[in-house]
Amino acid sequence: AQKITQTQPGMFVQEKEAVTLDCTYDTSDPSYGLFWYKQPSSGEMIFLIYQGSYDQQNATEGRYSLNFQKARKSANLVISASQLGDSAMYFCLRGDNYGQNFVFGPGTRLSVLP
Amino acid sequence: NAGVTQTPKFRILKIGQSMTLQCTQDMNHNYMYWYRQDPGMGLKLIYYSVGAGITDKGEVPNGYNVSRSTTEDFPLRLELAAPSQTSVYFCASRPDRSRTDTQYFGPGTRLTVL
Repeated sequence: AQKITQTQPGMFVQEKEAVTLDCTYDTSDPSYGLFWYKQPSSGEMIFLIYQGSYDQQNATEGRYSLNFQKARKSANLVISASQLGDSAMYFCLRGDNYGQNFVFGPGTRLSVLP
Repeated sequence: NAGVTQTPKFRILKIGQSMTLQCTQDMNHNYMYWYRQDPGMGLKLIYYSVGAGITDKGEVPNGYNVSRSTTEDFPLRLELAAPSQTSVYFCASRPDRSRTDTQYFGPGTRLTVL
């Protein structure tokens, strides 16, 4: 199975500082999409950001940006100016070429400290 | 729009019982998905559907069945429940305009098999 790796089970960051959450992936598809989702303790899944494999520029959405290194098969999420409300589980997710089959990483639990 | 709704929110089953988890979306999305999330883990794809009458297996389909008779509904059937099926089950849908479309998740069903 094509795998997603998130090597940091847990991370701490001070409020207002930036943090990078790692994600590496396997794929043999020439075209694919990478997503990041946030899951707060309430359990819902919240979409954060998307990066397409052929996109030339790294994706940005407000305080979220994606550091995409295609040759290394890595898609790290950068959160700038962390807020207490950013404390949650963060999942990296890869979609296949057809946008049908999705594989989740195991997640990183981020804790923002006041 | 209600988005993606799931019923029930919670359920306790005895080993060997069967049940159907309901999922309905009112966004006219063609793609629908069932995931399970074990404690402290990422989501794993059970089944997905690209339209009414079309379903396919994901990563962990054993012990489950699905059907898709309408665009709106995508029920997940558990036959002969086992303790290993204790999990939180998420249904999701997405439009199929492009690979970039994100998934919309339901609130989840927490299932315990004793």
